[in-house]
Parts: sequence; structure tokens; C-alpha cells
Amino acid sequence: SQQGEEDPQALSIQEGENATMNCSYKTSINNLQWYRQNSGRGLVHLILIRSNEREKHSGRLRVTLDTSKKSSSLLITASRAADTASYFCATDEGYNFNKFYFGSGTKLNVKP
Amino acid sequence: DAGVIQSPRHEVTEMGQEVTLRCKPISGHDYLFWYRQTMMRGLELLIYFNNNVPIDDSGMPEDRFSAKMPNASFSTLKIQPSEPRDSAVYFCASSLKLAGGNEQFFGPGTRLTVL
Repeated sequence: SQQGEEDPQALSIQEGENATMNCSYKTSINNLQWYRQNSGRGLVHLILIRSNEREKHSGRLRVTLDTSKKSSSLLITASRAADTASYFCATDEGYNFNKFYFGSGTKLNVKP
Repeated sequence: DAGVIQSPRHEVTEMGQEVTLRCKPISGHDYLFWYRQTMMRGLELLIYFNNNVPIDDSGMPEDRFSAKMPNASFSTLKIQPSEPRDSAVYFCASSLKLAGGNEQFFGPGTRLTVL
């Protein structure tokens, strides 16, 4: 299936450090999205990057996309304890950008 | 807008019982998705609707699962009969069709425990 895979599965850093998470997928996409999930809550959309884009910024978030390698990375700069959450990438089916596959997620722990 | 609303937030039931989960999408959104999240399988898309019509139900695990969307503001996911392996968190999400990709808005989820 198209399901993305995040790497690493878990990441623990100190507040103020940068956090980088990676996502790999298998087939062509129209766009890739990143979501955050706090413990016991629903997912919250962070950023969407289209297949013809290579980099996108939103506040402290930076997303890159390399379609030749079928991979994406999410960088959170100057992390805060409130960034502690699980982060998921979601990819579409290429021919159907309404259907998404979510990866298994990266669990980020930011220590104060 | 209050966001996507799901009820109940928690459901504990016994094996063999019927379970009905409910979802109210964000007003004006024309796509509705049902997901299931477990530790073992992650987040799985079960079914999605466009303008109240089921488009893809290939993720529905078995005939015991059924979903309906009688109108633009309400959807149900029913499990009959329920089994312990159905225990999971079930999320409903909605989105607005946009050229080039849709941001999905998730509800808080229903945590289902089948004993």
C-alpha cells in the first residue's frame, strides 16, 4: 500500500533543540501532509506540501519533499515542551488526492 | 464552528453487542472520513463519503461494519456484532474539496472497548 513510514519511531530532545522527522512512501503522490496528535486527542493538520514543491515553511516548521527519493522531512526548530506529541505524515494515492494513508508516526518528547 | 463532533467519547460494551458511533462534520465540508487507530495497525481509513455518498469502503474490515451518512451533518459507523478485536479509537474527519489537496479536520475520537 501507499502507507508512509516515519523515522525515527521515537525521538527525545531537550527544549530549544531542533527535531527532525522523516517520512518515506512508495508511489507517486499529489501532495503530502503532516499532522500532530497530542495524547488522547484527534489529529491536527500542520502543513501540506504539493508534489511540485520542494520546501515549505510555517512558523517554526520546515517541510521538505524529495519526490525522486519518495521522502519528506519535518523540521521543528527551537522545540518547546508543548511540541511533545506524535507526528504523522499522510500521503494520497496520486490519482486520488482525497484518500490518505497515514504512517505509523514519530513520537516526540521534548524535555523542559 | 465547534469542529468535528463525535459521540460518545468512550464506549464500553460486551462482545456481541451492537455499537453505533456518531459524527457531525464541520458545516459546509463535503468530505467525511472514518478512521480506526490501534497500536498494532496505526491509523487506518475505513470509509469516506463525498456529498453524503460512500465513495470508498475498501477499508471496512468486515461485513460487521457499516457506515451511513443520511445528510450532510450526520454520519454513523455501526458494528454489529462487536468483537474484542474491534477495540480501538475511531476518528471521524471532514474536509472541504480544494484543488490540489484537502486538509482534514479530525474529531476527538471515540475510544471503544469491547469486552
